[in-house]
Amino acid sequence: NAGVTQTPKFQVLKTGQSMTLQCAQDMNHEYMSWYRQDPGMGLRLIHYSVGAGITDQGEVPNGYNVSRSTTEDFPLRLLSAAPSQTSVYFCASSDDRVNEKLFFGSGTQLSVL
Amino acid sequence: EDKVVQSPLSLVVHEGDTVTLNCSYEVTNFRSLLWYKQEKKAPTFLFMLTSSGIEKKSGRLSSILDKKELSSILNITATQTGDSAIYLCAASNFGNEKLTFGTGTRLTIIP
Repeated sequence: NAGVTQTPKFQVLKTGQSMTLQCAQDMNHEYMSWYRQDPGMGLRLIHYSVGAGITDQGEVPNGYNVSRSTTEDFPLRLLSAAPSQTSVYFCASSDDRVNEKLFFGSGTQLSVL
Repeated sequence: EDKVVQSPLSLVVHEGDTVTLNCSYEVTNFRSLLWYKQEKKAPTFLFMLTSSGIEKKSGRLSSILDKKELSSILNITATQTGDSAIYLCAASNFGNEKLTFGTGTRLTIIP
């Protein structure tokens, strides 16, 4: 069972570079979301989607874009990387509309120099 | 602003001990309280609590919600080294498809 698959696992960027973090789930979940995890800050919601074609901002959306063209995929784009975006990023999906029981991917450790 | 606070921040105990982890919340239109376990990477779901005073149990882990005190505890009895992890608490509210997470409790079990 693949579940939620994130790529890459590690990435180093230079300030100003752009990149896309990939997320795919094979559970036919409607709800998908992106979180970042920083020391002492807990998990913070970046963007989320309640279905294909529908996205919305979370708590910390600045500097990130998302799209949801299919149920399976929910990529996160960093437009112009900044050192403040150094973090561990998690993609998650849920099969309930209130998005409580989340299934997480294994994370992407991103460093921006 | 919704807030979830966990204590202690970290805890080191010996194998076989019993531990209690705490979570308090301030959430508008509270719906449910959730616990997740994060070992090396991805958090995994443990419990969801919506009713006050009803214990949820899974093996050596149990959790209970106190809506009057706006808090929850997670108990682990007869701890094992495999219980070493970060335990995350999160709260949801009605009308909002978002979870508010606490910063977690890092639990270390010494053999």
